[in-house]
Amino acid sequence: RKEVEQDPGPFNVPEGATVAFNCTYSNSASQSFFWYRQDCRKEPKLLMSVYSSGNEDGRFTAQLNRASQYISLLIRDSKLSDSATYLCVVTPGGYNKLIFGAGTRLAVHP
Amino acid sequence: DGGITQSPKYLFRKEGQNVTLSCEQNLNHDAMYWYRQDPGQGLRLIYYSQIVNDFQKGDIAEGYSVSREKKESFPLTVTSAQKNPTAFYLCASRPGRRMNTGELFFGEGSRLTVL
Repeated sequence: RKEVEQDPGPFNVPEGATVAFNCTYSNSASQSFFWYRQDCRKEPKLLMSVYSSGNEDGRFTAQLNRASQYISLLIRDSKLSDSATYLCVVTPGGYNKLIFGAGTRLAVHP
Repeated sequence: DGGITQSPKYLFRKEGQNVTLSCEQNLNHDAMYWYRQDPGQGLRLIYYSQIVNDFQKGDIAEGYSVSREKKESFPLTVTSAQKNPTAFYLCASRPGRRMNTGELFFGEGSRLTVL
């Protein structure tokens, strides 16, 4: 079983739609969680950290469910510019290693 | 501007040749990392270094070597022993533990193709 698993997609949604991605992780001792965004053939960039209580940044909401070992990302009012691959990232213990999921591809169309 | 610079951006290599990818950062970060990305796969950790003159193997270190002689620099050598070296290579850094938010800062990547 992979340490971090994501649905590869693609998720094809119209502008203005709400879309949600889940990511499951296998190590129950994982401490920190992040969502990164990667545009085609570019480097990943941090989108947001995921806090235990859940957190929101504009149209983006991240949640953590430790009991079921998954994190989620909700995007409201999708824009064309949201089209990208979203990577789930987990630190299994401490900050020395970050484990990346393979990513979920989102395509927003007019 | 502070950041991470990788070079070259694109590199073609013949089989059997070693190649070195450069990674330089002026962010004063302690930790540096090399990842490899293949289509449809997540980033896989090759090597990382938390301090000058020290580095650890990641999950896929075979066929690669690194050095960390200066805080700013963490070059990666892809040796002829690496069986499938064609990939997108990403260098990243982050601050030491005291300033650590968990965010990795990436360079723009080096795309290596073996002919």
